[in-house]
Amino acid sequence: AQKVTQAQTEISVVEKEDVTLDCVYETRDTTYYLFWYKQPPSGELVFLIRRNSFDEQNEISGRYSWNFQKSTSSFNFTITASQVVDSAVYFCALSEAPNTGNQFYFGTGTSLTVIP
Amino acid sequence: DAGVTQSPTHLIKTRGQQVTLRCSPISGHKSVSWYQQVLGQGPQFIFQYYEKEERGRGNFPDRFSARQFPNYSSELNVNALLLGDSALYLCASRFGVAVHTEAFFGQGTRLTVV
Repeated sequence: AQKVTQAQTEISVVEKEDVTLDCVYETRDTTYYLFWYKQPPSGELVFLIRRNSFDEQNEISGRYSWNFQKSTSSFNFTITASQVVDSAVYFCALSEAPNTGNQFYFGTGTSLTVIP
Repeated sequence: DAGVTQSPTHLIKTRGQQVTLRCSPISGHKSVSWYQQVLGQGPQFIFQYYEKEERGRGNFPDRFSARQFPNYSSELNVNALLLGDSALYLCASRFGVAVHTEAFFGQGTRLTVV
């Protein structure tokens, strides 16, 4: 079963618009961490944000914000006032505590295109 | 400081051949993980090594193997290459094995099997 689901395959927005990327996860563990990574065309995955399962407080960091809701197993990511440089593939990932190898379970990614 | 470095950046191999991919983690990081990313998909976990020991293995055949050296660099080996092994192979460096630590990724090795 897919542990992380990103239903949005592709999104296009016009520059300066806000955009929200959806992520739904599945786990039986009580301790886990959720991450968002950005993958530009160069291929490198760039760490953006991290949240643990015990902290549902939503935060804002610059133009990034996230909405973590355990009741719906969702960890959505919002970019405010999007810029062309935000164009990339965004991955949501889950890391579980009693995890052999501390592996990340990645979603299939959402390709974001910001149109100037 | 140098980030995670992987070599080579691109590679073309023929079916049945063997390939070795290399990764140098961030200085001070002792954990290296390998991921395979097929076009259009998210990365899939292959291996994690910590302090030169295998700490986890994903659902990949025995044709895939890896090792970590005393300087914490790592190699991923794939034998008897198949067309389906064509992918971007990513190396991730982490300071330790705690679940909360973020992973820093290299730019990957693009492997094409023809």
